[in-house]
Amino acid sequence: GQSLEQPSEVTAVEGAIVQINCTYQTSGFYGLSWYQQHDGGAPTFLSYNALDGLEETGRFSSFLSRSDSYGYLLLQELQMKDSASYFCAAYHAGNNRKLIWGLGTSLAVNP
Amino acid sequence: GAVVSQHPSWVICKSGTSVKIECRSLDFQATTMFWYRQFPKQSLMLMATSNEGSKATYEQGVEKDKFLINHASLTLSTLTVTSAHPEDSSFYICSAVTGQGPYEQYFGPGTRLTVT
Repeated sequence: GQSLEQPSEVTAVEGAIVQINCTYQTSGFYGLSWYQQHDGGAPTFLSYNALDGLEETGRFSSFLSRSDSYGYLLLQELQMKDSASYFCAAYHAGNNRKLIWGLGTSLAVNP
Repeated sequence: GAVVSQHPSWVICKSGTSVKIECRSLDFQATTMFWYRQFPKQSLMLMATSNEGSKATYEQGVEKDKFLINHASLTLSTLTVTSAHPEDSSFYICSAVTGQGPYEQYFGPGTRLTVT
C-alpha cells in the first residue's frame, strides 16, 4: 500500500526549533511536499523536495532522503502563528500529479 | 498569483437536496483540479481528479453518482453533492495545478457543508 507516517502532535515554545518527521512507503514516489493548515483554513504550500538534501525557505527547511524513504520539516524561530497542522504529502509519478497525504502533525507553539 | 476560489464558503442544506460547489482558478489555467473532503482533525481525503474536458477519475470508495464532478473549462470545476445526507457534512476543498513546477497544488479556501 501507500502510506506516510508522521507524529500526530508536537509541542514547542516560541523561539525554539522543531522538526517534524515523515516516513513514506509509496510506489512510484516522485517527491515530497509539505503543507501547513490552520484550523478552518485550506492547506498552503510550504516546500517541495524532489532530490535528496535540504531545501531552505526562510524559517522553514525541508529535507529528503530517498534511500531512507524519509523526510522532515524543520521550523526555526517558532512563532505563535506557526501553531497549525502540518502535512507531508508524496507526489505519485504520473500525469495527474496526485498527492498522497500523511495524517498530519498538530503543532502547538506555547509562549 | 495562483489564486483559487471556491463558492460558496459555507452552505447548509436539507437532507435529500443537492448542493453545487464551484472551484475557480482566478489567474491561471488549471488542466487538473482535485477535490478533497476533510473531517475535523483528520487528513485530506482525495475524492477525485478532474481533468478539463474529460470525465473525472474517482478514488476507490467514492460514489461517482453521488458526487458529480464537471470540469467544463480550464478555470472552473464543479462538485455537486446529490441527495445529500447528514453524513456528507464535511469540509470540501479543491486544488488546482498548473503546467509549471514544482508541482505545487494551489488550494481553494474550502466549503463547509452542513446537511440537516
